Amino acid sequence: EIVLTQSPGTLSLSPGERATLSCRASQSVSSRYLAWYQQKPGQAPRLLIYGASRRATGIPDRFSGSGSGTDFTLTISRLEPEDFAVYYCQQYGSSPRTFGQGTKVEIK
Amino acid sequence: EVQLVQSGAEVKKSGESLKISCKDSGYSFTSYWIAWVRQMPGKGLEWMGNIYPGDSDTRYSPSFQGQVTISADKSISTAYLQWSSLKASDTAMYYCARPSSGYDSAFDIWGQGTMVTVSS
Repeated sequence: EIVLTQSPGTLSLSPGERATLSCRASQSVSSRYLAWYQQKPGQAPRLLIYGASRRATGIPDRFSGSGSGTDFTLTISRLEPEDFAVYYCQQYGSSPRTFGQGTKVEIK
Repeated sequence: EVQLVQSGAEVKKSGESLKISCKDSGYSFTSYWIAWVRQMPGKGLEWMGNIYPGDSDTRYSPSFQGQVTISADKSISTAYLQWSSLKASDTAMYYCARPSSGYDSAFDIWGQGTMVTVSS
């Protein structure tokens, strides 16, 4: 099983600041099979990024993904009020599919 | 618009059985996998398994194999997640989700979730 470790656990930032979230895998993940999701309280997760760097339909370009092998990054270039949420990475290239434990982006 | 609509919240007792549902609307149900994902209170996301309604091919996470049953009825475009004997530790929100194109795909469509509460 591929274990995904996200850091930091919590990121305290102000609107307008840049957020950098990390996802590290216990073994190599093909970049084709790495996704990022956003989840707000009381809501289902929403797909942001797939294939490590491809934005899903309707996702603003302030969200970007990068990385390869075992290290992946989600960057939010300038935080908007609606971006404060929990973010999960997921690998979907091997079974079992696994998620990271999440990074909470909170308002400072 | 493609949507996955899940059944309503459930409150059950330990030892009882339960079947929750996920109905698609707006796309070809038999051409896409459906996944089930668990989220325990205050915790992260856990993949439970996938089913391909076209031929009922089902794949489970080892953590959930033997604990739940995933099934589908393509005549009514509905997938199911079933327990034969619930435990208090099954208390969680359960989401169905659709991998966008094939088994090895990210989950681009999600149901609204079904909250299952099991009391001992």
